[in-house]
Amino acid sequence: SAVISQKPSRDICQRGTSLTIQCQVDSQVTMMFWYRQQPGQSLTLIATANQGSEATYESGFVIDKFPISRPNLTFSTLTVSNMSPEDSSIYLCSVTTGTSAYEQYFGPGTRLTVT
Amino acid sequence: QKEVEQDPGPLSVPEGAIVSLNCTYSNSAFQYFMWYRQYSRKGPELLMYTYSSGNKEDGRFTAQVDKSSKYISLFIRDSQPSDSATYLCAMNVREYGNKLVFGAGTILRVKS
Repeated sequence: SAVISQKPSRDICQRGTSLTIQCQVDSQVTMMFWYRQQPGQSLTLIATANQGSEATYESGFVIDKFPISRPNLTFSTLTVSNMSPEDSSIYLCSVTTGTSAYEQYFGPGTRLTVT
Repeated sequence: QKEVEQDPGPLSVPEGAIVSLNCTYSNSAFQYFMWYRQYSRKGPELLMYTYSSGNKEDGRFTAQVDKSSKYISLFIRDSQPSDSATYLCAMNVREYGNKLVFGAGTILRVKS
């Protein structure tokens, strides 16, 4: 399986600001995804990061709030824009190394607190 | 109603016990069933996945799917303190594309 790192590992931000989270993989992967994990809640898919094109967002998530880039096969960023306390969560990237989306491997996560 | 339901626990067992973790789901179309383990302040780690019904065994872990009851289980034999973690079930169906639907997770504590 791929080794996935995320930066930053945690941050405390003021409301109204934006934070960009980086996801780096040590080998080329097929698909990259961004999830949110709120306390006591299920992991929720935000979007699929597509290389060289716009991300595919799930219902309830929009590009203006969560812009995503994926410039190559090993790197992606998620920006949380105009943050509010409700955005406090753990944000995780995941990847697949084959063609099946169900076999996903996760990064360590970024713990975000918005004050 | 959530698509996937999972008892949050915590489930506390003595070392060496057999642990049973379960999820129920509402969408009968789900085809792929996964179990992830998540240690505190870490990302989820894929433990096992099964396709459709039946059992799958990997060391001390057995995954079981009962599609007629819309019920999946993960059994852990000879549980160890190192098994203490949150266990997440996840499901997928081709029509959902890349989307995995997760349960909220069950906290397991194995006491030595």
